[in-house]
Amino acid sequence: AQSVTQPDIHITVSEGASLELRCNYSYGATPYLFWYVQSPGQGLQLLLKYFSGDTLVQGIKGFEAEFKRSQSSFNLRKPSVHWSDAAEYFCAVADTGNQFYFGTGTSLTVIP
Amino acid sequence: DVKVTQSSRYLVKRTGEKVFLECVQDMDHENMFWYRQDPGLGLRLIYFSYDVKMKEKGDIPEGYSVSREKKERFSLILESASTNQTSMYLCASSLLPGQGSYSNQPQHFGDGTRLSIL
Repeated sequence: AQSVTQPDIHITVSEGASLELRCNYSYGATPYLFWYVQSPGQGLQLLLKYFSGDTLVQGIKGFEAEFKRSQSSFNLRKPSVHWSDAAEYFCAVADTGNQFYFGTGTSLTVIP
Repeated sequence: DVKVTQSSRYLVKRTGEKVFLECVQDMDHENMFWYRQDPGLGLRLIYFSYDVKMKEKGDIPEGYSVSREKKERFSLILESASTNQTSMYLCASSLLPGQGSYSNQPQHFGDGTRLSIL
């Protein structure tokens, strides 16, 4: 069965520091992977997606993610975090019917 | 830009009431989804629809039903609301998978409805 694990429930980083959010997936075929961000009181906004090709994908707001098939991972990174990046981040894998399976999310706090 | 609009941001209802949550999308998407979001549990799929009058159960359909009479509108119905249905409800829409590929269509989300059942 498809599933997504985000091992870190909560992460705190200093503004300007680098960020990496972990995501591991379980899926039998070629995965279709997404990262979403949710600001407080808002819906989910798509940050980036991976379908095939280059394993390093660029997204909005300066985020990138790297697909590693051998590790079943799709970690999200940002070289320098801004206070406005404080939010909840969700990783998701989609099956061939476009049904999404979301992780439980990682809450990011940014300290000055 | 895709716009997914949920009719209410906040809603308070009483136990036993019939509750309707409405969702409208403006991009002619075939797929529409209803999720509930609870702390520590992430997003759980309640129902989805891939066409007018079509619906499929998700992971937690019990206590809910849906209606899709028009392509742009997908309604979630709590037949008899209970306190354990207090939650954030998120609607999403997407195109069908493209020809020659599979799930290459991201889901677009509304801002959510925070529903409290008293």
